[in-house]
Amino acid sequence: GDSVTQMEGPVTLSEEAFLTINCTYTATGYPSLFWYVQYPGEGLQLLLKATKADDKGSNKGFEATYRKETTSFHLEKGSVQVSDSAVYFCALSDQAGYSTLTFGKGTMLLVSP
Amino acid sequence: GAVVSQHPSWVICKSGTSVKIECRSLDFQATTMFWYRQFPKQSLMLMATSNEGSKATYEQGVEKDKFLINHASLTLSTLTVTSAHPEDSSFYICSARAWGSGFTRDSPLHFGNGTRLTVT
Repeated sequence: GDSVTQMEGPVTLSEEAFLTINCTYTATGYPSLFWYVQYPGEGLQLLLKATKADDKGSNKGFEATYRKETTSFHLEKGSVQVSDSAVYFCALSDQAGYSTLTFGKGTMLLVSP
Repeated sequence: GAVVSQHPSWVICKSGTSVKIECRSLDFQATTMFWYRQFPKQSLMLMATSNEGSKATYEQGVEKDKFLINHASLTLSTLTVTSAHPEDSSFYICSARAWGSGFTRDSPLHFGNGTRLTVT
């Protein structure tokens, strides 16, 4: 079955540092890939997505590129802010039926001033 | 933007009692809502798909008689944990897809804030 593996956290960075959160997936067919973010006390929000190989999703300074050859969708940001502190979930949506999501375990990011 | 309200945000109940969790789409209609469960340091696991006006579709291994789902209107789905036991303690999250967006895999899901259930 489908699965998503992402790096364990917490990831602790200083403000303005470079961020990478690794995500790899296993799926049949050609899934769409997503990053969701959950800020403290809030629900999950879609951060960015990519629907086919080599697509790059981007939003709020975050980027992730759909790499079919390495089955990866790593999240990056060039300069993190304290306000980016949250839990980040990598997810995929497979091709069968109407869309449901398979999530990774989530990675907590803590950014200090 | 689309908002999904989940209530309560946390609940403590005694073993053997039942607990109802509500999931409401506040500014859009949702023919389909999803219920997830998250164990500590684990992924969000899809429990069931709630369809307005019809029976929910449960994932393999989820007891439908224990986790009762009712999707009585286009804006409300409820999850009732019946005869709760300590092993049911978990974080439950609902999500909804806006009506009219179509059942495409790229349509965004809107999530509630989750409900922390503790069974003593």
